[in-house]
Amino acid sequence: EVQLVESGGGLVQPGGSLRLSCTGSGFTFNEYWMTWVRQAPGKGLEWVANIKGDGTERHQADFVGGRFTISRDNGKNSLYLQMNSLRGEDTGVYYCARQGGFPYAEASSWGQGTLVTVSS
Amino acid sequence: QTVVTQEPSLTVSPGGTVTLTCASSAGEVTSGYHPNWLQQKPGQAPRALIYSTANKHSWTPARFSGSLLGGKAALTLSAVQPEDEAEYYCLLWFGSSWVFGGGTKLTVL
Repeated sequence: EVQLVESGGGLVQPGGSLRLSCTGSGFTFNEYWMTWVRQAPGKGLEWVANIKGDGTERHQADFVGGRFTISRDNGKNSLYLQMNSLRGEDTGVYYCARQGGFPYAEASSWGQGTLVTVSS
Repeated sequence: QTVVTQEPSLTVSPGGTVTLTCASSAGEVTSGYHPNWLQQKPGQAPRALIYSTANKHSWTPARFSGSLLGGKAALTLSAVQPEDEAEYYCLLWFGSSWVFGGGTKLTVL
């Protein structure tokens, strides 16, 4: 059974940093693109970034700019999202999802999310 | 900035049929956008339903179907069940990024 577990969320002050983690099990982690999606309270889903199985290719949403960085450690079956210069509008639940073998492949399996709150 | 538009809300009677659509500000939605559809219920993570326009996951109920309709991606629910009440999101690939639609809140009444 595919399982994805996010961690690392919490309360952080504006301008601060946070690193989210997502640990996968039940599948060969390095064979799949992985993606991050977020959801502000009471709002819709927003795609953040994705990364190829071997980590050699990444895509990100325009709003990310240089503030967020997606990465992975296949030896630990883990996906990361380093978030810097955090703003109030970054508040929300952050989900990781497993895609297929292409950047446009389906996001078939999802974690339960980790809550990030940016507030002073 | 590409915008993906869905109906904000729709209402359907139990046992009825409803079609949700997904339009792109960039023009006609084609299979090359690899349309995905996801369902989300309050307090839950999203659940994938449809990928690459019309393909179903192993867990997707048969009453859900995806298609292209009038230049948009479409999700049709037939014989709607009360448990289908949820928010539905489409997701389109624009060559180097995914963009979600704003979501359709489906009420079964």
